[in-house]
Amino acid sequence: DIQLTQSPSSLTASIGDRVIITCRASQVINNFLHWYQQRPGQAPRLLIYAASTLQRGVPSRFSGSASGTDVTLTINSLQPEDFATYYCQQSYTSPPTFGGGTKVEIK
Amino acid sequence: EEHLKESGGGVVRPGGSLRLSCVASGFGFEDDGMSWVRQGPGKGPEWVSGISWNGASTGYADSVKGRFTISRDNAKNSIYLQMNSLRVEDTAVYYCARNKCTGGTCFLSGWFDPWGPGTQVTVSS
Repeated sequence: DIQLTQSPSSLTASIGDRVIITCRASQVINNFLHWYQQRPGQAPRLLIYAASTLQRGVPSRFSGSASGTDVTLTINSLQPEDFATYYCQQSYTSPPTFGGGTKVEIK
Repeated sequence: EEHLKESGGGVVRPGGSLRLSCVASGFGFEDDGMSWVRQGPGKGPEWVSGISWNGASTGYADSVKGRFTISRDNAKNSIYLQMNSLRVEDTAVYYCARNKCTGGTCFLSGWFDPWGPGTQVTVSS
């Protein structure tokens, strides 16, 4: 199975900050990488699919990019509702696997 | 609005069984592959099982193979997960989710959207 390593595992940030989360795959995954946001007590919510395509209804301050085995999620101008845990997921091979998560907390 | 809702969770002893259900609304359910994804306490999500649009093909994580069975009834817009020989490590919130991918249907790959709110399964003696 493909392993996904997210960094950092947690971070603290202020409203208005830019946040960058990285997901590194154990092998090449050719942009078959997707990002989810999970607030406490809720199900994960799709933010970005295929590394850089914004899901309908997701604010444009979220963006994704890929380079080799590294994929990044960027949140520009962090908002109060963005404090949550973020997960990456690969679909290059079966079974689909998830990263360990990055918890974004308020400074 | 696309919507999924799970039911059937509960508390069961090790070795016991549960059957989870998930009903879909607001989208062409019969066109899409579907999956069950679980999340143990304090852990990231883990894909458990997937089923093709017509139920003809299924797949399972190694951790549940031989113990869990996924099925669907397109007339009822529903998928199911029969869980037998449950173990303490199966304790998790179980979500159903639609598989999406570019270029056609998928059930062992793609991204997951939408997700249901989840149902809690607790295996404990």
